[in-house]
Amino acid sequence: EPEVTQTPSHQVTQMGQEVILRCVPISNHLYFYWYRQILGQKVEFLVSFYNNEISEKSEIFDDQFSVERPDGSNFTLKIRSTKLEDSAMYFCASRTATGGEKLFFGSGTQLSVL
Amino acid sequence: EDQVTQSPEALRLQEGESSSLNCSYTVSGLRGLFWYRQDPGKGPEFLFTLYSAGEEKEKERLKATLTKKESFLHITAPKPEDSATYLCAVREAGNMLTFGGGTRLMVKP
Repeated sequence: EPEVTQTPSHQVTQMGQEVILRCVPISNHLYFYWYRQILGQKVEFLVSFYNNEISEKSEIFDDQFSVERPDGSNFTLKIRSTKLEDSAMYFCASRTATGGEKLFFGSGTQLSVL
Repeated sequence: EDQVTQSPEALRLQEGESSSLNCSYTVSGLRGLFWYRQDPGKGPEFLFTLYSAGEEKEKERLKATLTKKESFLHITAPKPEDSATYLCAVREAGNMLTFGGGTRLMVKP
């Protein structure tokens, strides 16, 4: 079965550094998402992306965050200047245009900000 | 106030011991309620979507039901491989899902 691929699986960075988390959604999917899960807390929505633009974002997704679909296969999340509180598991997800609400999630990138 | 509350936080069952997980929600215009399974170190895996009160969906040993205030995930004769965290999420408008805190299910052989 096709799956959403995320790299790296673990990322350690120093506070204030920029990080880019990478995702390869399922090839025929058109809607793309980033969610995050701080250890022991709920899964939280960050941003949704469709037709090469952000369609919705949460309060968490401030000016330090950006998303991009640089080519036909990758979808990236950039954090410009990481903070300690950005430490979390970041999940990429995607779905088809007609697939209802069935989101396919990747296995996540564990980001640790030191 | 939390929009999605799941209970219990953790549940231990013996293999074969049926039970139910609860998801209460307080959104005004529900556009879908979702159940996901999450294994340790993995992303959520889609199980069901329910849209209207009275709707039921089944998959193997799992059955999800929906009322106007809550949803139940019934697990019949669970097996150890059903051990996971079960997440409930709701969609009001737009694209975002709002998740509950999950129920961590442990099924002992």
